[in-house]
Amino acid sequence: SQQGEEDPQALSIQEGENATMNCSYKTSINNLQWYRQNSGRGLVHLILIRSNEREKHSGRLRVTLDTSKKSSSLLITASRAADTASYFCATAFTGGGNKLTFGTGTQLKVEL
Amino acid sequence: GAGVSQSPRYKVAKRGQDVALRCDPISGHVSLFWYQQALGQGPEFLTYFQNEAQLDKSGLPSDRFFAERPEGSVSTLKIQRTQQEDSAVYLCASGGSRFKDTQYFGPGTRLTVL
Repeated sequence: SQQGEEDPQALSIQEGENATMNCSYKTSINNLQWYRQNSGRGLVHLILIRSNEREKHSGRLRVTLDTSKKSSSLLITASRAADTASYFCATAFTGGGNKLTFGTGTQLKVEL
Repeated sequence: GAGVSQSPRYKVAKRGQDVALRCDPISGHVSLFWYQQALGQGPEFLTYFQNEAQLDKSGLPSDRFFAERPEGSVSTLKIQRTQQEDSAVYLCASGGSRFKDTQYFGPGTRLTVL
């Protein structure tokens, strides 16, 4: 079963705009990770945030984590057409080892 | 260096046939995971190896699914007597010791059972 849900399910923006995706999960976690999946390609790891961290940056990506609300957000700034993909959050829940539980994904489309 | 590779990339099987899916992890990675991704869904965990030891197989949907990693490197996921509901993309991921929580995924094998 899926651990959590991403919101929105689909997002369409213009190139240059920012894109924000949210993820909610259900159980206590060790870390939360965001992945990108392009059509025909595998999952690409974007960023990992640990349960004791609140915010993390990597290039144009900014991730926040609120463990009290069991939620995370991924912000992509200055989006590009190449950012068009499905984005998944995945959690390593406490006591679950390193296996990941994925959400349902957000389909992002960046238009020129 | 080379990433995770999987073969075949596409597999069509008739219902009832057995299939074997191969995963070559990144060299030196001790952790290896298998996930199943149905169309329009996120991946779901199947099983986990640390070296040759299968430490977690809680996600395998039935006893028709079997995975092995006999020498701690290449892994094979075998599905016996395939059924239509087995149609999905099967993803393999490996993880190293340095960034042990990060999983590196292969391109997947798309299995279609007719």
